[in-house]
Amino acid sequence: DAKTTQPPSMDCAEGRAANLPCNHSTISGNEYVYWYRQIHSQGPQYIIHGLKNNETNEMASLIITEDRKSSTLILPHATLRDTAVYYCIVREVTQGGSEKLVFGKGTKLTVNP
Amino acid sequence: DAGVIQSPRHEVTEMGQEVTLRCKPISGHNSLFWYRQTMMRGLELLIYFNNNVPIDDSGMPEDRFSAKMPNASFSTLKIQPSEPRDSAVYFCASSFNRPNTEAFFGQGTRLTVV
Repeated sequence: DAKTTQPPSMDCAEGRAANLPCNHSTISGNEYVYWYRQIHSQGPQYIIHGLKNNETNEMASLIITEDRKSSTLILPHATLRDTAVYYCIVREVTQGGSEKLVFGKGTKLTVNP
Repeated sequence: DAGVIQSPRHEVTEMGQEVTLRCKPISGHNSLFWYRQTMMRGLELLIYFNNNVPIDDSGMPEDRFSAKMPNASFSTLKIQPSEPRDSAVYFCASSFNRPNTEAFFGQGTRLTVV
């Protein structure tokens, strides 16, 4: 089962910031938080990930609370092309040290003109 | 790199037939994952490999499903015999086998069993 909880849907106006919340209260100390998105029926696309510090790249910013029990993905200037399902994932460390991605239901973000 | 490559992109087959889906991971990646996506169940992890060895196949729905990874650059997911409820989009993903690294997904194979 996924270790994260996200709202099922959100709306955002084009050009405004989209802030997508995620709860992961059972996260372990060495587990990273990953964000992916899926546009229509394409393959999931990696956005960003982090452990405990805030992260920023060309796509988005990731804010992780100090206790690491929740995080927020920020799309600073949402466009219509950002309409997608956004998945917050705690990557689980498995036997042998590898990590697997277990997807929850995600948040359906709709960017409106 | 061309990314994770899956083939075919679309497959339509009749119930009872054998179906083979193919995946070429990103060169150098040593973890490979097979997922299935349906409207009802979302994205489900079926099986994953580390260094060509299956690590966890607990997500494989039943014995009709099998996956192999004969070498680092190729994997197959086989369904025999196929059933209409197997209709779904099947994704393959690959990554390095270490923490703090992202996985990359292919474009998927849309399977329709009639």
